[in-house]
Amino acid sequence: DAGVIQSPRHEVTEMGQEVTLRCKPISGHDYLFWYRQTMMRGLELLIYFNNNVPIDDSGMPEDRFSAKMPNASFSTLKIQPSEPRDSAVYFCASSKTGTANYGYTFGSGTRLTVV
Amino acid sequence: DAKTTQPTSMDCAEGRAANLPCNHSTISGNEYVYWYRQIHSQGPQYIIHGLKNNETNEMASLIITEDRKSSTLILPHATLRDTAVYYCIVRVPRNNAGNMLTFGGGTRLMVKP
Repeated sequence: DAGVIQSPRHEVTEMGQEVTLRCKPISGHDYLFWYRQTMMRGLELLIYFNNNVPIDDSGMPEDRFSAKMPNASFSTLKIQPSEPRDSAVYFCASSKTGTANYGYTFGSGTRLTVV
Repeated sequence: DAKTTQPTSMDCAEGRAANLPCNHSTISGNEYVYWYRQIHSQGPQYIIHGLKNNETNEMASLIITEDRKSSTLILPHATLRDTAVYYCIVRVPRNNAGNMLTFGGGTRLMVKP
């Protein structure tokens, strides 16, 4: 099991550019979560999916952010246009209904820097 | 989900037990206590969880008080690699209405040689 795979690990982009972050959850997991981490705000839940359907996107900061999950093995988080305040580490996590602990497995994150 | 209170930081000598406290005085009867940790530059990692009985696994032990208003995570023989931020979270594990993890500030544990 390769765990939750995120790409890229690091992204540096200029303000105004479109940024796409990618996530491959663990096979068989039916929940997928996107979190953002900054020094000021800590870990924040942005959006989560169940069986590829977005359930709660109330944490998405504004319309510049969008997330999709076209199939059970792939999700994207897109920021368009990007701004310097979007600089953060973005984590993807997945979990499986029915597991004894409903624990989450996190990816290694994507460190986004918008200059 | 109930709120938790943890010390901001703690130190521990390498090889000694690290005892990380967590207060959750408003915990409800169906809420579990979960512990995660985040090593620098990595994603959070699940450690252990429990409802009311003490729990132990290969990583740690979890001691929950009888009234369930507080708990302690114990790393029996801390190593330098255990230096991390440790998060205590209380939540109801549910699989249809959403089972979000909400992270607080956590405890920054520094294991020193």
